[in-house]
Amino acid sequence: EIVLTQSPGTLSLSPGERVTLSCRASQTLSNNYLAWYHQKLGQAPRLLIYSASNRATGIPNRFSGTGSGTDFTLTISGLEPEDSAVYYCQQWETAPVTFGGGTRVDIK
Amino acid sequence: EVQLVESGGGLVQPGGSLRVSCAASGFTFRNYAMTWVRQAPGKVPEWVSAISGPGDFIYYADSVKGRFTISRDNSRNTLYLQMNSLRAEDTAVYYCAKNLMNGTACYEYWGQGTLVTVSS
Repeated sequence: EIVLTQSPGTLSLSPGERVTLSCRASQTLSNNYLAWYHQKLGQAPRLLIYSASNRATGIPNRFSGTGSGTDFTLTISGLEPEDSAVYYCQQWETAPVTFGGGTRVDIK
Repeated sequence: EVQLVESGGGLVQPGGSLRVSCAASGFTFRNYAMTWVRQAPGKVPEWVSAISGPGDFIYYADSVKGRFTISRDNSRNTLYLQMNSLRAEDTAVYYCAKNLMNGTACYEYWGQGTLVTVSS
């Protein structure tokens, strides 16, 4: 099973700041089959990025994904108050599908 | 507009059974693989099971294999998860999710979830 390690665990930032979240895989994702979601309190996760760098439908362009192999990054350029959420990465390179432990982003 | 609406959750005793359903609308249901993902309170999402559009390919997490059965009725646009021999560790919100596209296992749309509590 591929283990995804996310860092940092928690961030507290101000609106307008740029934030970079990390996701490291325990094995190489040769096809970069990695997605990012955010989950607000009491809601289902929402897909932000798939295949490492493709924005999902309706996602603002302040969200971007980069990376390959074992190291992946989600960048939010210009935090908005509504970006307060837990952010998860998820891989589907190898069964079973696995999720990272999450990064909590709080907006001051 | 894509909608996924789960139902059927509730309180069940250990060893009991429950079937949860997911009614889909707003897309051609039979063309998409569908997935169940669960999330225990305060925990990370956990992939549970997936089924191909026609229903001919089925996959399970090791934690539920032999106890849970995924199925779909494409004439009713409905996804099911039959859960038997339930354990306390199966307590979670169960989400159905639509795969982004065939060949991918990331999830573009999610339902609101249905809570399953296994407790005596």
